[in-house]
Amino acid sequence: EVQLVESGGGLVQPGGSLRLSCAASGFTFSSYEMNWVRQAPGKGLEWVAYISSTGGTIHYADSVKGRFTISRDNAKSSLYLQMNSLRAEDAGVYSCARISLQLWRNWGQGTLVTVSS
Amino acid sequence: DIQMTQSPSTLSASVGDRVTITCRASQSINSWLAWYQQKPGEAPNLLIYKTSNLENGVPSRFSGSGSGTEFTLTISSLQPDDFAIYFCQQYNTFWTFGQGTKVEIK
Repeated sequence: EVQLVESGGGLVQPGGSLRLSCAASGFTFSSYEMNWVRQAPGKGLEWVAYISSTGGTIHYADSVKGRFTISRDNAKSSLYLQMNSLRAEDAGVYSCARISLQLWRNWGQGTLVTVSS
Repeated sequence: DIQMTQSPSTLSASVGDRVTITCRASQSINSWLAWYQQKPGEAPNLLIYKTSNLENGVPSRFSGSGSGTEFTLTISSLQPDDFAIYFCQQYNTFWTFGQGTKVEIK
């Protein structure tokens, strides 16, 4: 069974940093592209970042470009999101998702990020 | 960026009703449109991809149609298990989501 479990969320002050992790199991992690997505309270889903199966191709949403860094460790079946210079508008639930043929076939439950002083 | 406008935001319906949800793209996305279902406390579940293709295991009462910028998800006869949130997603250029439609019991 495919499982994606996010961790690392919490309360951080504006301008602060946080590193999210996504532990994958139940599939060959190194064969799949992965995404991070977020949902702010009361808002719709927003794609955040993409990474190819090898990590060689990365894309970001304009809203996080230059502040967030997506990475992966295929040996550990783990996906990461380093978030710097956090803003109030970055708050929300962050989830990872497994991609297959551009489709999001498996999602994690998410980890909550709160940005407040 | 491609924007997705989904309507309605809430839909009240009864078991057995025919339900239609609409998604409009700010520019042509060809047929690269997917629909997902999400129930409270659960991760989203892929229902339909490439506008009209049913994911394995999805009941045939679900169907999708459209092209270009206008797309619809139809549930032909609403079942108790279908009360959930539905959202569209374009994957023509990266990914953008609709705001979601909550289908609730009338």
